Amino acid sequence: AQSVTQLDSQVPVFEEAPVELRCNYSSSVSVYLFWYVQYPNQGLQLLLKYLSGSTLVESINGFEAEFNKSQTSFHLRKPSVHISDTAEYFCAVSDTGGFKTIFGAGTRLFVKA
Amino acid sequence: DVKVTQSSRYLVKRTGEKVFLECVQDMDHENMFWYRQDPGLGLRLIYFSYDVKMKEKGDIPEGYSVSREKKERFSLILESASTNQTSMYLCASRDSGTGNEKLFFGSGTQLSVL
Repeated sequence: AQSVTQLDSQVPVFEEAPVELRCNYSSSVSVYLFWYVQYPNQGLQLLLKYLSGSTLVESINGFEAEFNKSQTSFHLRKPSVHISDTAEYFCAVSDTGGFKTIFGAGTRLFVKA
Repeated sequence: DVKVTQSSRYLVKRTGEKVFLECVQDMDHENMFWYRQDPGLGLRLIYFSYDVKMKEKGDIPEGYSVSREKKERFSLILESASTNQTSMYLCASRDSGTGNEKLFFGSGTQLSVL
């Protein structure tokens, strides 16, 4: 079975500052890793994913995450955040052969002017 | 654009009522999922279905059942609603096969059981 731990429930940050949202997972098998974002009053949208290959993956809006197998981590980073990045971010994991995607508890990112 | 539609954005029901939450996807996906979202707990999987008339229990199936009579529609049923089932319910779908791990979510149904 897999599990996901998001180490921060809330992260306040000023606009144009860098941010890191932390995610650790546990699994006894190979996994796929995801970050989803939920804007207010909306469903979740995929932000980026790691399936295989390069351990650094990027999104179209400047976020990136690095898969670190030895530390079982998949932290999300952005060098300079915007007000519009205010949302809840969910780290998720699924095993490479299964149907189930397991989500972390979420991290609320507040970007302040 | 792909779409997952949940029939109600807000629902208010009374304890003991039978509640139906409906979800429709227009992407011809084999797999559909019901999650509930609670503050501090993230998303927890209730049930999923990998084909018509097929269903599997997720991590928290107690008090819920599901129905999938057609490929595009996946219903979540609360046989006798209780106050601890007050939550945001999210439906999702995805295709099968490697490379299709992305989940597509509906906007959610906020259910209040009084």
